[in-house]
Amino acid sequence: DIVMTQSPLSLSVTPGEPASISCRSSQSLLHSNGYNFLNWYLQKPGQSPQLLIYLASNRASGVPDRFSGSGSGTDFTLKISRVEAEDVGIYYCMQPLQSLYTFGQGTKLEIK
Amino acid sequence: EVQLVESGGGWIQSGGSLRLSCVASGFSVSSNFMSWVRQAPGKGLEWVSNIYRGGGTYYADSVTGRFTISRDSSDNTVYLQLNNLRAEDSAVYYCSRDNWNYQGHYYGMDVWGQGTTVTVSS
Repeated sequence: DIVMTQSPLSLSVTPGEPASISCRSSQSLLHSNGYNFLNWYLQKPGQSPQLLIYLASNRASGVPDRFSGSGSGTDFTLKISRVEAEDVGIYYCMQPLQSLYTFGQGTKLEIK
Repeated sequence: EVQLVESGGGWIQSGGSLRLSCVASGFSVSSNFMSWVRQAPGKGLEWVSNIYRGGGTYYADSVTGRFTISRDSSDNTVYLQLNNLRAEDSAVYYCSRDNWNYQGHYYGMDVWGQGTTVTVSS
């Protein structure tokens, strides 16, 4: 199975400041079609997960443009250009490249 | 409106069985890839199972041989049969649509239900 490792596991950010979360996979997530099969999800407190980014860098419908995803192969990053209070929650990366999907451990974002 | 509604969770003794249901509206479960993801209390997300458009099924190692995913196009429902339950299966179980279109383009798990809670007592 592909192991997904996120860092940091928690971060506290002042509103308006940027934030960055790293995700590393134990195997390359680059598909033969040229796309990196890496998704980012946010689970806000008391809510179901929601899709933020698919295929490493594509924002899902309705996701603010302050969220961006980048990376290729085994190293990926989620960036929030200016954190807002509504961004609190736990962020997960996930690989759907192999039939047995795997999630990272999650990164908890808090507001200072 | 596109949505998923899970049900069927509850309290069950170790070794028992439950069947979870996920009713879809606004799209067809048979025309999509569907997934179950769970979250144990205070823990992270864990993928459990997929059923592909063509009917193929996949399971996490932790549930292989005990859980079975299926679907019913007449009810537009995805099911997860949970057998031989263990305490470590206690979790909120979420159903989601894994969006692959017919051209092979992938758009992520873009629709999620509200979850149904399974509590296994040892």
